[in-house]
Amino acid sequence: QSALTQPASVSGSPGQSITISCTGTSSDVGSYDLVSWYQQHPGKAPKLMIYEGSKRPSGVSNRFSGSKSGNTASLTISGLQADDEADYYCCSYAVSNNYVFGTGTKVTVL
Amino acid sequence: QITLKESGPTLVKPTQTLTLTCAFSGFSLSTSGVGVAWIRQPPGKALDWLAVIYWDDDKRYSPSLKSRLTITKDTSKNQVVLRMTNMDPVDTATYYCAHRASYFGFDPWGQGTLVTVSS
Repeated sequence: QSALTQPASVSGSPGQSITISCTGTSSDVGSYDLVSWYQQHPGKAPKLMIYEGSKRPSGVSNRFSGSKSGNTASLTISGLQADDEADYYCCSYAVSNNYVFGTGTKVTVL
Repeated sequence: QITLKESGPTLVKPTQTLTLTCAFSGFSLSTSGVGVAWIRQPPGKALDWLAVIYWDDDKRYSPSLKSRLTITKDTSKNQVVLRMTNMDPVDTATYYCAHRASYFGFDPWGQGTLVTVSS
């Protein structure tokens, strides 16, 4: 299985909204509403931000939201803040009960 | 509070077998729906899912690495072990273990352990 495709970088000014896409295939993103999103600051372990496509774990800001259309999932960050600057990865459940991660997106707050 | 911590060698030689241990607390691997996964990240690169083991001993592996990986659990010790054979310099990475709850997400993650493959 191939890695899910994400844009290498996305940027925005404080207060703006940005959207990160995650494109897979009918064998992963397209077949399951089971995409999760992770935030990773430099030198730190990833942190779960969204699970099962659009659900937020307890403690995660409601500025983070997830959605899906066809084979593409998306993460939207609204009201962009300086601390949102990090790498973001999507991950999808896939056929044969496997998982596949995305290529990663660096978010820069201008 | 759920915590996980990886341990193992920091340096392995090419062709050797890597054995990593994930020691966890705050949950039981005998609880229905729960799993522990291993994910790695080469320096400066993306996350790469390796394997997962579930409460019922179901095991799943990355198709590209399946022949080299073995994941096992010791429920009484709250540990999960990953073995990767025939290590190569391209396997140099930070290796993470993570809790997979009954919902589909890896949360939380351990701090990670950097493994370097070099002669």
